[in-house]
Amino acid sequence: ETGVTQTPRHLVMGMTNKKSLKCEQHLGHNAMYWYKQSAKKPLELMFVYNFKEQTENNSVPSRFSPECPNSSHLFLHLHTLQPEDSALYLCASSQDRAGTEAFFGQGTRLTVV
Amino acid sequence: SQQGEEDPQALSIQEGENATMNCSYKTSINNLQWYRQNSGRGLVHLILIRSNEREKHSGRLRVTLDTSKKSSSLLITASRAADTASYFCAYRSSNTGKLIFGQGTTLQVKP
Repeated sequence: ETGVTQTPRHLVMGMTNKKSLKCEQHLGHNAMYWYKQSAKKPLELMFVYNFKEQTENNSVPSRFSPECPNSSHLFLHLHTLQPEDSALYLCASSQDRAGTEAFFGQGTRLTVV
Repeated sequence: SQQGEEDPQALSIQEGENATMNCSYKTSINNLQWYRQNSGRGLVHLILIRSNEREKHSGRLRVTLDTSKKSSSLLITASRAADTASYFCAYRSSNTGKLIFGQGTTLQVKP
């Protein structure tokens, strides 16, 4: 248990659906991240939030929309996804953006059909 | 790409043997970290070595860092079947602050 909780653990959605992934941490961290992990590819950093402000968007398509209402919660809103978006989506947090280690959630396994 | 590279991509050893994984990176770093991932799960932080350190130990783990070669190694001594997992290096770029991951080494330890 790392202190970072992601829900749901598994999600199957159609290409026309809208869904949201949720991440929660009560570690007192100020930076939160979304990563995408596809088969046989390195972890791809998607978004970074620091003190609730988005500091990084790594050219992520607009069908992925992050939201950080407070420093403990991070969402990833999904709409009109493609099958190639199927992957493990990992949320992480760290003390700050230049901080030490990152604490990861267990991930949401997303399948787009 | 700033992505780190790891080798080998896959490693299979017998229980009790040592496992060594290597990581190379391309930018200036603040620190380098190693993570472990069990199949389909989240990553767990193992150890961090700062750019001004050359070697660090934690239990059966030994990490080295050579900033002149931009490389690091992770040694797991006296491996156990429970060490079977994927291992990732990640470095925090001193330019961007980003935590950049390597492609990972899949380790299988046979009982």
